Amino acid sequence: DAGVIQSPRHEVTEMGQEVTLRCKPISGHNSLFWYRQTMMRGLELLIYFNNNVPIDDSGMPEDRFSAKMPNASFSTLKIQPSEPRDSAVYFCASEGTDSYEQYFGPGTRLTVT
Amino acid sequence: TQLLEQSPQFLSIQEGENLTVYCNSSSVFSSLQWYRQEPGEGPVLLVTVVTGGEVKKLKRLTFQFGDARKDSSLHITAAQPGDTGLYLCAGGPRYKLTFGKGTLLTVNP
Repeated sequence: DAGVIQSPRHEVTEMGQEVTLRCKPISGHNSLFWYRQTMMRGLELLIYFNNNVPIDDSGMPEDRFSAKMPNASFSTLKIQPSEPRDSAVYFCASEGTDSYEQYFGPGTRLTVT
Repeated sequence: TQLLEQSPQFLSIQEGENLTVYCNSSSVFSSLQWYRQEPGEGPVLLVTVVTGGEVKKLKRLTFQFGDARKDSSLHITAAQPGDTGLYLCAGGPRYKLTFGKGTLLTVNP
């Protein structure tokens, strides 16, 4: 199994630009999570999908952030417009129905200048 | 929100030494998980503890869940450079985990 795949691995953009992060979960997993990791705040849950439906988006910081999961094998996290304080590593994770284990992707390091 | 405090924040030791890192909260958790994160990678689950007082061993790593289910510890025996990484504890409802900020461990050869 290829594991959770995220792209791009690194993204550098200017303030005000739109940023789209992509995630392919492990095949057969029905839950998908987006996290953000910073030194100051640690690893924070942004949004959780189950069977492609957003269940809890209370961690999404503000309206500039949006996430979609059009099918079981693809999800996006979009930031529009981006701001320097959005700079962080963004992780996607997936989990199967019968396991209590989240599998994390390698992350996307976002730098907003 | 249930908060998890991890200590120490940083730990640098020599190969062969023993160490313990801690994860504490004022809240009761039904279970706690420990993850290890290596540079440039996502966290990887090491263990889940679910019963107060439970002890689990994973080779040279020993995990303990406090009797009151508010705290946990990770003890590493004879640390090796391959143990270097960020150790995170996490707890909470299954689909809404709260993570501590982690202990960054460096094991020097």
